[in-house]
Amino acid sequence: GAVVSQHPSWVICKSGTSVKIECRSLDFQATTMFWYRQFPKQSLMLMATSNEGSKATYEQGVEKDKFLINHASLTLSTLTVTSAHPEDSSFYICSARGGTSGYNEQFFGPGTRLTVL
Amino acid sequence: AQSVTQPDIHITVSEGASLELRCNYSYGATPYLFWYVQSPGQGLQLLLKYFSGDTLVQGIKGFEAEFKRSQSSFNLRKPSVHWSDAAEYFCAWGDGNKLVFGAGTILRVKS
Repeated sequence: GAVVSQHPSWVICKSGTSVKIECRSLDFQATTMFWYRQFPKQSLMLMATSNEGSKATYEQGVEKDKFLINHASLTLSTLTVTSAHPEDSSFYICSARGGTSGYNEQFFGPGTRLTVL
Repeated sequence: AQSVTQPDIHITVSEGASLELRCNYSYGATPYLFWYVQSPGQGLQLLLKYFSGDTLVQGIKGFEAEFKRSQSSFNLRKPSVHWSDAAEYFCAWGDGNKLVFGAGTILRVKS
């Protein structure tokens, strides 16, 4: 149980285009989803937290107009990188968490490798 | 701000040898602490977690970790390393909402 998928697993796009990454919880309802970014040989940095049906909360320094997050259902969140540039190339990982009280474990997706040419 | 420190960027051990990966956190309250493993190009797999209670926590794949409040540490151990353990290991601190990750330690296993 507690499987999180991401699609696509990798994507290459041209500079200036937009890319959408999907994160799905396959066997549980994810009340909260998290989006992380990981540069090569570095740790995961939290970009934003999204609760189903609410606007995402972005971490300091993350451009909300560039990284659009939608969490329209309890099993799907999307991250859209708008007007992508080479510096946006990175490994994007989502995680999902169910429940609304107490501590609930985050389950991580396999990640999406974005390369912007 | 909360921070997690993993002082060792790389560690190389021989197969069959014991392993200890260090992790220190900076936050006063009793934290939620985690160890994750990441294989190249993959997401994160939870090895073990500490919330409260027994300070020695057992995890999957033969790993264990010990929470030491006095040292603000949560070191990961394994008595005998296998070649398949080669990966990157992340320590993380949680507050019940978000996770803060350390920089990671890359484990290399030599035969």
